[in-house]
Amino acid sequence: DQQVKQNSPSLSVQEGRISILNCDYTNSMFDYFLWYKKYPAEGPTFLISISSIKDKNEDGRFTVFLNKSAKHLSLHIVPSQPGDSAVYFCAAKDTGNQFYFGTGTSLTVIP
Amino acid sequence: DAMVIQNPRYQVTQFGKPVTLSCSQTLNHNVMYWYQQKSSQAPKLLFHYYDKDFNNEADTPDNFQSRRPNTSFCFLDIRSPGLGDTAMYLCATRLGSGANVLTFGAGSRLTVL
Repeated sequence: DQQVKQNSPSLSVQEGRISILNCDYTNSMFDYFLWYKKYPAEGPTFLISISSIKDKNEDGRFTVFLNKSAKHLSLHIVPSQPGDSAVYFCAAKDTGNQFYFGTGTSLTVIP
Repeated sequence: DAMVIQNPRYQVTQFGKPVTLSCSQTLNHNVMYWYQQKSSQAPKLLFHYYDKDFNNEADTPDNFQSRRPNTSFCFLDIRSPGLGDTAMYLCATRLGSGANVLTFGAGSRLTVL
């Protein structure tokens, strides 16, 4: 039973435009949410996170939004750059420190 | 200056031939995890250690075992690999209580023929 879902397997965006990656979850006990970025043949690297008590966290070009009532998380990248092309995983942590991952969204930024 | 190091990066083994994957960390983190990731799927937790305390996921096959001889090292042993065990195996660490971020290694890609 997938508790974290990323329904878009892929996304293509023009360089300079905004990329919006979406994630839905089912467990209201999740207390922390993370986004990881993964290049081919490498492990996931931590990108940005947000606590369940917040609704927005921003770090440079990356902003994560949390809508608890909708159980929805999104990652905004603006402006998108070709180096952002990678697979992005959404993850959620529960109060027992278990982490749950989505299946990933492959982002392609077209120069 | 890699912080979580996995070896080997690529491993090909024959059906039924045991394989061991290793993970070492320089972060001095208390918690170490092993995840299995198959193509186009989410990483799936196999087990984790909090210090020396071993925690096995209920659906992890008995074929998969783990050892953590010290803080820095953790091993994944697959006793009799099947074709379905072909996957990327990811090691991750977390500092411990209150820490919310996993740090991953580069992964070990296992192919079972």
